[in-house]
Amino acid sequence: GAVVSQHPSWVICKSGTSVKIECRSLDFQATTMFWYRQFPKQSLMLMATSNEGSKATYEQGVEKDKFLINHASLTLSTLTVTSAHPEDSSFYICSASDRGTGNSPLHFGNGTRLTVT
Amino acid sequence: GQNIDQPTEMTATEGAIVQINCTYQTSGFNGLFWYQQHAGEAPTFLSYNVLDGLEEKGRFSSFLSRSKGYSYLLLKELQMKDSASYLCAVRDSNYQLIWGAGTKLIIKP
Repeated sequence: GAVVSQHPSWVICKSGTSVKIECRSLDFQATTMFWYRQFPKQSLMLMATSNEGSKATYEQGVEKDKFLINHASLTLSTLTVTSAHPEDSSFYICSASDRGTGNSPLHFGNGTRLTVT
Repeated sequence: GQNIDQPTEMTATEGAIVQINCTYQTSGFNGLFWYQQHAGEAPTFLSYNVLDGLEEKGRFSSFLSRSKGYSYLLLKELQMKDSASYLCAVRDSNYQLIWGAGTKLIIKP
């Protein structure tokens, strides 16, 4: 089945630094990947849709200059949290679907737990 | 607007059966998904329905009625490891996934 790999699984950084999270589709090509954020005991929140070879589409209220998304290839999308602050501490999850198999489900990476001190 | 409703929390007993309902109002319909999410982990795919009826996969079954905008996830022979949140999501006419807030299922011995 389709596998999505996300790295790192957890990261602790100091306030003001930047953190890059990678999302890879291992056995399929993903023209579109999705980035979610989830705070404790809350539902998934779509942050942005990452499109290969073009600019990402951000959801309302998500700062595109703070959450930089790059989707340079059909198997890799990256999310960079710039100038991180403690309120950015959250669980970040990427996902992708294998469009080559029709109405395929969204497969998720294992998530990245970010803690900003 | 688009909306997906599912109960916030449910409790069931180990070995029993539980049904988690999901109702939706979306702009178009291109399939309904159920995901399981354990605390602190990413969601994992459970089932997919695009036509009316019941899809069975082991202890889990999912039902869809498009005319009623309704689905349920049925879990049989409950095990303690089934304690998790269950997320209902609908793919709309733009192929965007609309997520429910999830149902936290608590299994008691």
